[in-house]
Amino acid sequence: DQQVKQNSPSLSVQEGRISILNCDYTNSMFDYFLWYKKYPAEGPTFLISISSIKDKNEDGRFTVFLNKSAKHLSLHIVPSQPGDSAVYFCAACCGGATNKLIFGTGTLLAVQP
Amino acid sequence: DTAVSQTPKYLVTQMGNDKSIKCEQNLGHDTMYWYKQDSKKFLKIMFSYNNKELIINETVPNRFSPKSPDKAHLNLHINSLELGDSAVYFCASSQAGGVATQYFGPGTRLTVL
Repeated sequence: DQQVKQNSPSLSVQEGRISILNCDYTNSMFDYFLWYKKYPAEGPTFLISISSIKDKNEDGRFTVFLNKSAKHLSLHIVPSQPGDSAVYFCAACCGGATNKLIFGTGTLLAVQP
Repeated sequence: DTAVSQTPKYLVTQMGNDKSIKCEQNLGHDTMYWYKQDSKKFLKIMFSYNNKELIINETVPNRFSPKSPDKAHLNLHINSLELGDSAVYFCASSQAGGVATQYFGPGTRLTVL
């Protein structure tokens, strides 16, 4: 039972354009959401997060949007850069469970120069 | 300075052997985790320790035993290795309490032959 889903396994974007990565979840108890970025042969690196009491959080080129009614969140990267090419994981927490992250399967973003 | 480190990075072993993976964090965090990323790229939590006390124990075979000698270390010992144990194992750490961002190590790729 996959509670956090990233339905696009891959995404290709031109440098300078916007990248939009999507994530859906099923458990309405989740109250915190995070995005991690992962390069090959490295561990996931925290990128940005959002609490369920907000619908938007911005940090530089990265913005996360949360639509609670649709149980959907998205990560916008603008402008996209070749160094952004990586796998992006969406994660959800906690719903009463102690800091237990539930991860999606990831989306491979390729930013073409 | 590496924040969360794991050793070894690669581990190749035969079925039936016993092996350990070590994890250390120098972030001063109280909580540490072990995650498993299988061949389908699912990243799933296995265990979590807070100040040397087990707080999350997912449905993991008894052959897996975490050990936390102090709050900066969380080792994973695996007995009687099976083919299905082949995966990448990630250690992570976070501050205790509420929702806290988790910081991941580089991973240990375990291959069971």
